[in-house]
Amino acid sequence: KNQVEQSPQSLIILEGKNCTLQCNYTVSPFSNLRWYKQDTGRGPVSLTIMTFSENTKSNGRYTATLDADTKQSSLHITASQLSDSASYICVVSPYNNNDMRFGAGTRLTVKP
Amino acid sequence: DAGITQSPRHKVTETGTPVTLRCHQTENHRYMYWYRQDPGHGLRLIHYSYGVKDTDKGEVSDGYSVSRSKTEDFLLTLESATSSQTSVYFCAISESSEGYTEAFFGQGTRLTVV
Repeated sequence: KNQVEQSPQSLIILEGKNCTLQCNYTVSPFSNLRWYKQDTGRGPVSLTIMTFSENTKSNGRYTATLDADTKQSSLHITASQLSDSASYICVVSPYNNNDMRFGAGTRLTVKP
Repeated sequence: DAGITQSPRHKVTETGTPVTLRCHQTENHRYMYWYRQDPGHGLRLIHYSYGVKDTDKGEVSDGYSVSRSKTEDFLLTLESATSSQTSVYFCAISESSEGYTEAFFGQGTRLTVV
């Protein structure tokens, strides 16, 4: 069983709407949690990185939250744009970059 | 893409043939990684390098070997390609392995083994 589970698997929203993506993890111990955006045919690009002491991190219209007690994170996208259409990947590291555990991603489609 | 170039970008090869994928970086980062990405799975680590000639295995290393003779180049070799190695391969680089350090990914190589 994957130690990082993301939901939903896919999501379709209308341009301008907000959405929230979920990440639940069982990875232990915990060092940091990242959210990546992956456009079709491209490599993942980092959106946010949070350690256990941080419970929220923003990057423009993207806001990630972390509850280390319940081992849950969410990525909230505000006022979605067509360019937000991509896969969003949650990554949890127990120790360091050599041991990152990747979720399978949520495929977001933003329609006009 | 943070100065990372993967080559080739696409390759079709036959079962049993050797294949080498190349990752080249211009950032002088110490750590380099090879991942594979398959539908329904998260990226999985194949091998990584923490310096010239210093490498270690990842989660799915069977059937793969790597070499790093220069800081800027990290090669992934499939000694005898199998259909199960059909995948998209990503190279990543990182200045250090510390947990808060950014990891940057290349654009990927789509490999098809027929």
